[in-house]
Amino acid sequence: DAKTTQPPSMDCAEGRAANLPCNHSTISGNEYVYWYRQIHSQGPQYIIHGLKNNETNEMASLIITEDRKSSTLILPHATLRDTAVYYCIGKTGANNLFFGTGTRLTVIP
Amino acid sequence: DAGVIQSPRHEVTEMGQEVTLRCKPISGHNSLFWYRQTMMRGLELLIYFNNNVPIDDSGMPEDRFSAKMPNASFSTLKIQPSEPRDSAVYFCASSLTSGKGRVQYFGAGTRLSVL
Repeated sequence: DAKTTQPPSMDCAEGRAANLPCNHSTISGNEYVYWYRQIHSQGPQYIIHGLKNNETNEMASLIITEDRKSSTLILPHATLRDTAVYYCIGKTGANNLFFGTGTRLTVIP
Repeated sequence: DAGVIQSPRHEVTEMGQEVTLRCKPISGHNSLFWYRQTMMRGLELLIYFNNNVPIDDSGMPEDRFSAKMPNASFSTLKIQPSEPRDSAVYFCASSLTSGKGRVQYFGAGTRLSVL
């Protein structure tokens, strides 16, 4: 599984877009990039995943660079409830997710 | 769908006692995962099952830990005897091993305190 690197913390103003970067320079061709988040005391929540193309769902957008060495998770209009730790994970099969330390996003009123 | 259901949500026990954590995966999912989360070590995989068969238990700390999956809709994680260092939040997750990617969905967790 690809090692991922994320900034330890970020702040975002409420209502603005939150852009969370992730470096995964060792990702292999068949490895998906997954994003999860964990709100305090809750189980990790799946957000989105992608392989090569950009992806969008009701929660977020995922932008993957053409060389697939990095990606950005975009929360288009951050709310206070988006305050959480966000994890970027590279994974191939059905095995475990290596969560790392993630990015602690704080949405500020 | 009710999602992954774990019980109990909180468990407080004394050192040396047996602890059993329970998990009901999402209906139709064929893979089940047990994770443990602590401040020191973060989230780490303990064991995972595919089609009710244990595939990788290399994360199980020691022989005091055991996990079973007697059928597709139920799994247990047992600690016997429990120790204070087992205090953590234990998460169960399930996924479907087919289709685009293999997304794991997590339960709310069981917070275990061993006194």
